[in-house]
Amino acid sequence: GQNIDQPTEMTATEGAIVQINCTYQTSGFNGLFWYQQHAGEAPTFLSYNVLDGLEEKGRFSSFLSRSKGYSYLLLKELQMKDSASYLCAVTDSNYQLIWGAGTKLIIKP
Amino acid sequence: NAGVTQTPKFRILKIGQSMTLQCTQDMNHNYMYWYRQDPGMGLKLIYYSVGAGITDKGEVPNGYNVSRSTTEDFPLRLELAAPSQTSVYFCASNLETGDTGELFFGEGSRLTVL
Repeated sequence: GQNIDQPTEMTATEGAIVQINCTYQTSGFNGLFWYQQHAGEAPTFLSYNVLDGLEEKGRFSSFLSRSKGYSYLLLKELQMKDSASYLCAVTDSNYQLIWGAGTKLIIKP
Repeated sequence: NAGVTQTPKFRILKIGQSMTLQCTQDMNHNYMYWYRQDPGMGLKLIYYSVGAGITDKGEVPNGYNVSRSTTEDFPLRLELAAPSQTSVYFCASNLETGDTGELFFGEGSRLTVL
């Protein structure tokens, strides 16, 4: 079956760096997405990786290793507003999005 | 631009009632989707559409129906509501599934079936 694994919850300190991991097993691969979802709100797009390597976008970076079925989202200079759930999703061979359950990130002052 | 608009935002239904969740987008996107999100679970695809007049089942279609008569609108119909349909429903759209395929979501509809 198809599966995406992420930690359920992580805690980090304001100003620090946190890495949220995502491992996937899917039938084919056509890209990996990270979305941010604040409590009670809709998900919003953060990043997209289709080739191996690191994509940097401001304080957020996303890394992909297709051979390992692995990605991470790196958040630097954490701010209180970064408290949210982070959803990993993979597009399979049929271009269907498979979603992880999300990682709830708690930022402490 | 309004983006993706969903109504209603909240609704309480009694078991056996029916209702329609409305979704409209003004971005001229071909692809539209209905997801449900339960606590601690990933988004589950209910139905999707690749264009006006074309719809297809997703992972969890039972108990739901959709139609796509125009590019803009993609309503989700719940027939004979059951407690298992208590969830948060998100409508989403994108221009195409390939390439970046960034999804744009509506604000969500929180449905409770009692």
